[in-house]
Amino acid sequence: SQQGEEDPQALSIQEGENATMNCSYKTSINNLQWYRQNSGRGLVHLILIRSNEREKHSGRLRVTLDTSKKSSSLLITASRAADTASYFCATDELNFNKFYFGSGTKLNVKP
Amino acid sequence: AAGVIQSPRHLIKEKRETATLKCYPISRHDTVYWYQQGPGQDPQFLISFYEKMQSDKGSIPDRFSAQQFSDYHSELNMSSLELGDSALYFCASSLWESGERFFGPGTRLTVL
Repeated sequence: SQQGEEDPQALSIQEGENATMNCSYKTSINNLQWYRQNSGRGLVHLILIRSNEREKHSGRLRVTLDTSKKSSSLLITASRAADTASYFCATDELNFNKFYFGSGTKLNVKP
Repeated sequence: AAGVIQSPRHLIKEKRETATLKCYPISRHDTVYWYQQGPGQDPQFLISFYEKMQSDKGSIPDRFSAQQFSDYHSELNMSSLELGDSALYFCASSLWESGERFFGPGTRLTVL
């Protein structure tokens, strides 16, 4: 990928469990966004966290950002089968208006 | 509020043909970005426009060109199509200052 690296590349859990995905990046950023993509479908924006924020919540989603480690995590609590998708982090690079996607984590939530 | 609109949603072309993809940004957004996502790949940045001028260029082949019009919509023109051009093409828009990109649903291009 151009900038971000997701970890793990694939994750399989049971419905009701929590899913944690991590993203690392290389340069200084304005913000970091998480997207979901169902197989072969469009990108769905989940959440944006700015470089001066450390944690953000949206429903069952919790995102953290550690700019000193250049990393972010996405936690999905009480997962559902409908959460099965690929999850990408995308970074908005400071000063250069570049926006990069990581390689994604494939999440499979088993009913 | 309406999101980013892309048309067509699906397109099937033969090798060596041309294709034009259209993107209509969110109202008042002045910046448009194009991405290409091959099967099983992460989206790759192609090109972006701010106020009708090219603002950044990524891995866009020479066979492709794009422009942004006075109403801020953008078109991606693809010529001499190759099998490898089969992909999902995403457009995103934002306000230049905020950097909060919003993606369209994508156009799925299949080259036969």
